[in-house]
Amino acid sequence: EVVLTQSPATLSLSPGERATLSCRASQSVSEYLAWYQQKPGQAPRLLIYDASNRATGIPARFSGSGSGADFTLTISSLEPEDFAVYFCQQRSTWPRTFGQGTKLQIK
Amino acid sequence: EVQLLESGGGLVQPGGSLRLSCVASGFTFNNYAMYWVRQAPEKGLQWVSGISGSGDSTYYADSVKGRFTISRDNSKNTLYLQMNSLRAEDTAIYYCAKDRVYTSSSGWFDPWGQGTLVTVSS
Repeated sequence: EVVLTQSPATLSLSPGERATLSCRASQSVSEYLAWYQQKPGQAPRLLIYDASNRATGIPARFSGSGSGADFTLTISSLEPEDFAVYFCQQRSTWPRTFGQGTKLQIK
Repeated sequence: EVQLLESGGGLVQPGGSLRLSCVASGFTFNNYAMYWVRQAPEKGLQWVSGISGSGDSTYYADSVKGRFTISRDNSKNTLYLQMNSLRAEDTAIYYCAKDRVYTSSSGWFDPWGQGTLVTVSS
């Protein structure tokens, strides 16, 4: 199965700063990678699919990039509501797998 | 508005069974693949199972294969997960999720329900 490794595990930033989150796959997943946001007590929400496409209703400050085995989620200017846990997920192979998550916390 | 409402979770002893349900509304249910994804307490996400819109194709994680069965009743807009031979490691919040793409299995989960908690303990 494809193992997704996210880094860093925790990222401490201030509102207005730029956030860069990484997801590395154990083998190429082409562009079949998504990013989800999860806030405490809530279900995950799809942010980005196919590596760089924003899901419906997702603000433009969220962007995704990468292909093959290295991917990045960038939040251009952090809003207070962006502090959450972010997961990457691949759909290149079965089983579908997730990264372990990056917690984005307020500095 | 798409809504997914899970139910059926609870406390069950090891070796026991539970059936989860997910009632869908706000979209044409039989046109979308559906999935179950779980999250152990304070842990990450694990895809559990998926089913095509017609119900003809099903997929399982190795950890649940042979113990869990996914199904759907398109006349009732309801997704199910029959869970047998439950183990402590099956303890998790179970989310149902809709596929992002109409009449295809894109493998992207959008949106998710709020989840139902399954606790396996004696």
